[in-house]
Amino acid sequence: GQNIDQPTEMTATEGAIVQINCTYQTSGFNGLFWYQQHAGEAPTFLSYNVLDGLEEKGRFSSFLSRSKGYSYLLLKELQMKDSASYLCAWVDQTGANNLFFGTGTRLTVIP
Amino acid sequence: NAGVTQTPKFRVLKTGQSMTLLCAQDMNHEYMYWYRQDPGMGLRLIHYSVGEGTTAKGEVPDGYNVSRLKKQNFLLGLESAAPSQTSVYFCASIRTSASTDTQYFGPGTRLTVL
Repeated sequence: GQNIDQPTEMTATEGAIVQINCTYQTSGFNGLFWYQQHAGEAPTFLSYNVLDGLEEKGRFSSFLSRSKGYSYLLLKELQMKDSASYLCAWVDQTGANNLFFGTGTRLTVIP
Repeated sequence: NAGVTQTPKFRVLKTGQSMTLLCAQDMNHEYMYWYRQDPGMGLRLIHYSVGEGTTAKGEVPDGYNVSRLKKQNFLLGLESAAPSQTSVYFCASIRTSASTDTQYFGPGTRLTVL
């Protein structure tokens, strides 16, 4: 398999903060991506981490710990439009930039 | 720029039929990829190409063939369709080999094999 795990579903309230976790196991790691995918649409890029630490982009932040094989996506000030699937994926070191995806976390934002 | 486009958007096939899915990108990207997405499985790489005239197998290549005769196009062929190939197929492209480059995805092709 892909050796990458994330929760299947989460629910959060509008205006709140939610953290989506992702764990992975690989020896050929070259970075981790987060994508957002609305139902029936293509995935779109959210963030990329290759070094340990937190990357912040507006309401979205992503964290990586390479030693722990762990990442999370933090969404602040949740809006109804944030209801979507969030996909984490690690990129390999082959030079072909192949991505290996988790199954995705379906987030539902409720009023 | 249209970005990454896929043709067709929807298709229904009978078992044993063949078809070709077309992916086109107008961003002059070097690398192109074909994925399939199934419920509970996530996106899985079928084949990829690191340049015009080159192709390579991904995680789930069986039953599929690909060609990259022109830099902007990446074709995915199903030789003899099976119900197990019912899926949503996404094409993606990336500009360079830098790992920081993000993959841009097409809108997807929803294929049903009866």
